[in-house]
Amino acid sequence: IAGITQAPTSQILAAGRRMTLRCTQDMRHNAMYWYRQDLGLGLRLIHYSNTAGTTGKGEVPDGYSVSRANTDDFPLTLASAVPSQTSVYFCASSATSGGPQFFGPGTRLTVL
Amino acid sequence: GESVGLHLPTLSVQEGDNSIINCAYSNSASDYFIWYKQESGKGPQFIIDIRSNMDKRQGQRVTVLLNKTVKHLSLQIAATQPGDSAVYLCAENRGSNYQLIWGAGTKLIIKP
Repeated sequence: IAGITQAPTSQILAAGRRMTLRCTQDMRHNAMYWYRQDLGLGLRLIHYSNTAGTTGKGEVPDGYSVSRANTDDFPLTLASAVPSQTSVYFCASSATSGGPQFFGPGTRLTVL
Repeated sequence: GESVGLHLPTLSVQEGDNSIINCAYSNSASDYFIWYKQESGKGPQFIIDIRSNMDKRQGQRVTVLLNKTVKHLSLQIAATQPGDSAVYLCAENRGSNYQLIWGAGTKLIIKP
């Protein structure tokens, strides 16, 4: 693994289903982030974690949950997907909160 | 309110010319600024950053200028190449306890 990876690359999901997007970094960064990017709306922060064991809510947290059991992994879960959660999801990490963030390749999620 | 915005959503530049991408911010407490490049279908890629105690910083073919008096940030790309075609995002932060505030982006188009 080099940098930050996300899985899956893309997914089509039926509404009401549960889905976990995976994110792993090997840079030993303390902080990690989940964003969604929609056309015309830019990047919007969903949840973040400044260090392992802690999480916080971003701008658009409703319908999403996260956990940070260790430094490397930061999964994002949609408990019951809805069509408005159709988006491209990016995970990012930074050595310290507030520092430059480095992004994964994204997951394209379509909820039907 | 706080905001990071861009003067132009799309910028067309002749190949070989210099590109200047602008970004305005409204929070005078912001002390850290970052430029990202996002190619189609990919995650944002860190280009260069600058802290508020500087007014200019240079990288490889890129220069970031910060004018705190008018709350303006610019990214200059020298000798623009076809590979520079992308959306350029600016982001600001006002401290390690805060999250990045993102602009919507400027699309740079290179004319042959």
